[in-house]
Formats: sequence, structure tokens, C-alpha cells
Amino acid sequence: DAGVTQSPTHLIKTRGQHVTLRCSPISGHKSVSWYQQVLGQGPQFIFQYYEKEERGRGNFPDRFSARQFPNYSSELNVNALLLGDSALYLCASSRTGVNSSYNSPLHFGNGTRLTVT
Amino acid sequence: AQTVTQSQPEMSVQEAETVTLSCTYDTSENNYYLFWYKQPPSRQMILVIRQEAYKQQNATENRFSVNFQKAAKSFSLKISDSQLGDTAMYFCAFMILFGNEKLTFGTGTRLTIIP
Repeated sequence: DAGVTQSPTHLIKTRGQHVTLRCSPISGHKSVSWYQQVLGQGPQFIFQYYEKEERGRGNFPDRFSARQFPNYSSELNVNALLLGDSALYLCASSRTGVNSSYNSPLHFGNGTRLTVT
Repeated sequence: AQTVTQSQPEMSVQEAETVTLSCTYDTSENNYYLFWYKQPPSRQMILVIRQEAYKQQNATENRFSVNFQKAAKSFSLKISDSQLGDTAMYFCAFMILFGNEKLTFGTGTRLTIIP
């Protein structure tokens, strides 16, 4: 089976622009999460979506939004880009979407490297 | 809120030796998971090992094992017989049980295996 796929791999945008990042989960996985990893730091949780509904949101401004489609793929949108939004954006998928004693591990994609100039 | 601290920004070890990476965390929760993830230059986060907090037995996965000290809120990773392919960033992470799937990561330890 294909892993989590993210597109594009790299992206360069100018301050003030808008960006859309895409993620396709592993087949059969209904949960998608997004993380921001600034250079030299650990990933920070942005959103989790399960069955097209938001299940969790991290401490990010309203410029960040996301959605999940009926095929469980997901988009992360960032408006009014700032230099500080430059980061690696990671997508992860899982089967259950609920962290129970029977949970499948998160599977991560290779990320989208966003550079804001 | 949960915090995860990794106090070793960088470590290096000779191939075939054993290395231990440290992690401490802070939480008021009683039921949670702890993880070690590896991030090679390919950027993909790869799960190395997982520990359920309600299990007293330390998790092991081949050459990887953990020392989980719940009272001390400590969760170290031991890599035995280290290999060149172990060179990567290693992140300690925390997740609350029965919650959403939010992972809280530490800042990472850059591990270099020297031939």
C-alpha cells in the first residue's frame, strides 16, 4: 500500500500570499492530522480531522484552516503568509482517529517544505 | 498542558556501541502513551517504539528499548549495536489516552553514528 502522500514537496511563497497544502492518507485511514515543524524544533500540532470533522486544534491563528474530503484526503490552508510560517508541514494519518487502547499508530508523510520570502 | 523535554541537542557514538537518549515529560494525566520517533534526512517521521503508561514492563523493539520511569516522568531510549542507518533526529513524544491524536514533541536529539 502507498504511504501518506503530500503535495507539493517544496513551495516558495511571498509574504501576504495564500497557500494550500494537500495530503492523501493511507488507504483505509479515516483520520488526518497536520503538524508544523520549524527548523531546529519538534513538530507542533495544528489540526486533526476524522470523518470530515475537526477533532482537535492546536495553538495556531485563524489564518490556518483545514478540511477533510469524503475520500479522507485533506487540505491545509494558510492565509496572509508571514515569514514565520516558513516550515516543514507534516501530515499524518491513522485508522481509528481516536486514541484508545486499541489504536493504530500515526503514519507520517515526507512533508511539504514551505518557504516564505 | 503537557511538555516534553530533551536535554541532549546532539550526540554521537561509534558504530556497534550502545547509546541512550534522554527524555523527561510533565503531565497531570495518568493515562497516556509515550513514543520515540526517528526523522532521517528524508524528513519522514518513523515510529521507533511506543510505551503505554499503564504498562510497567518496558517496551522493546529489536535493538531499541526504553527505560520508562513513571514516577520520575522519565522515558529514555537505548539503542544497542548502533548502525550507520540509525543516524537521524530522534524525537520523544507524548499522547493522552482516550483523547484526540495530538502528539506533543520534544525538541529532538541529533544522533550521529560514526563509522
